[in-house]
Amino acid sequence: SQTIHQWPATLVQPVGSPLSLECTVEGTSNPNLYWYRQAAGRGLQLLFYSVGIGQISSEVPQNLSASRPQDRQFILSSKKLLLSDSGFYLCAWTPGTGSYYEQYFGPGTRLTVT
Amino acid sequence: GEDVEQSLFLSVREGDSSVINCTYTDSSSTYLYWYKQEPGAGLQLLTYIFSNMDMKQDQRLTVLLNKKDKHLSLRIADTQTGDSAIYFCAESINTGNQFYFGTGTSLTVIP
Repeated sequence: SQTIHQWPATLVQPVGSPLSLECTVEGTSNPNLYWYRQAAGRGLQLLFYSVGIGQISSEVPQNLSASRPQDRQFILSSKKLLLSDSGFYLCAWTPGTGSYYEQYFGPGTRLTVT
Repeated sequence: GEDVEQSLFLSVREGDSSVINCTYTDSSSTYLYWYKQEPGAGLQLLTYIFSNMDMKQDQRLTVLLNKKDKHLSLRIADTQTGDSAIYFCAESINTGNQFYFGTGTSLTVIP
């Protein structure tokens, strides 16, 4: 069966510090991978998605970046965090092929920038 | 466009039916979804409907889709306290690679 992991579960970082959040998927190959942010009291905002290794599409301009160094690994990074980067970060995956596009979500990372 | 809108809050009494509404703007949607998010957790898919369907029923859940009005609803019959959560509607468009979520409706079930 497929599972998706995110770490860390919670993170408190000062403004201006770097960020690295990791997401890995097990039990599938060539998935589409996604990063979302959920700010307090707001819905999900799609940040990045990837259809393959090294292929990243960005939905919104920001000081975050994403990388996909391996097929089932997706990393969200920042060189310098802003207060507005606080939020709940969710990773998700979908099968890379097929016509049924169900998304499976990870447990999320709660990021607080102080 | 990919605007997906929901009302923010809904309160119902235990045992009543809940109806959560959603409107979307992209007519090229292929699938529409309802997800549930419990506090501090990720999203769990509850049900989905293909865009050429009008209705789908799954136990206590009924999804209605009015494609002409771009309106999606989720009805939860016999609402229980365990149904208290945030409910998101979402759509995927033709390419299937992108999903767009509503703002979420916070459902509170009053015992």
